[in-house]
Amino acid sequence: GAVVSQHPSRVICKSGTSVKIECRSLDFQATTMFWYRQFPKQSLMLMATSNEGSKATYEQGVEKDKFLINHASLTLSTLTVTSAHPEDSSFYICSARGGGWQPQHFGDGTRLSIL
Amino acid sequence: GQQLNQSPQSMFIQEGEDVSMNCTSSSIFNTWLWYKQDPGEGPVLLIALYKAGELTSNGRLTAQFGITRKDSFLNISASIPSDVGIYFCAGQGRVQGAQKLVFGQGTRLTINP
Repeated sequence: GAVVSQHPSRVICKSGTSVKIECRSLDFQATTMFWYRQFPKQSLMLMATSNEGSKATYEQGVEKDKFLINHASLTLSTLTVTSAHPEDSSFYICSARGGGWQPQHFGDGTRLSIL
Repeated sequence: GQQLNQSPQSMFIQEGEDVSMNCTSSSIFNTWLWYKQDPGEGPVLLIALYKAGELTSNGRLTAQFGITRKDSFLNISASIPSDVGIYFCAGQGRVQGAQKLVFGQGTRLTINP
């Protein structure tokens, strides 16, 4: 079945550091990738949608200069949290979808902790 | 943002019991999906439903796409300890001009052995 790999699984770093998270679709070509944020005991909140080769579309309230998304190929998208601060600490999850009405498949998430 | 109404929010059951949860929406969706999320991991797709009225099974799991395209339910029969987790429904369709998933709030399932 469709496998999405997300790396790293956990990051602990100092305030002001920029952190890059990778999301790869391993056995299918992902025309669209999505980035979510999840707070404890809450549902997933969509941050942005990215299509290969084009700029990401950010949800209302998500700072595009803070959360840089690059989708350079059909199998790789990256999320960079720039100059991270403690309030950026969260669980970030990516998903990928092939064409048409295929469902989204999720990575295992990245736990980001900013000290 | 837009969310589906998922209920119940939590369930505490005995091992071997059947489980039922559902989602409703004020909007029509083209696809309904059910995911399970274990602590510290991403959601895993359980069942995908593509047609109104469709009833689909995956082992002990059964889900249906409501005929109005505004609701769906998930049943788990003869629950076992590994069924513990959070179950999310999700509607897939065009939201504000783009194809997105809208999630329910989740149902946290706890099983007493």
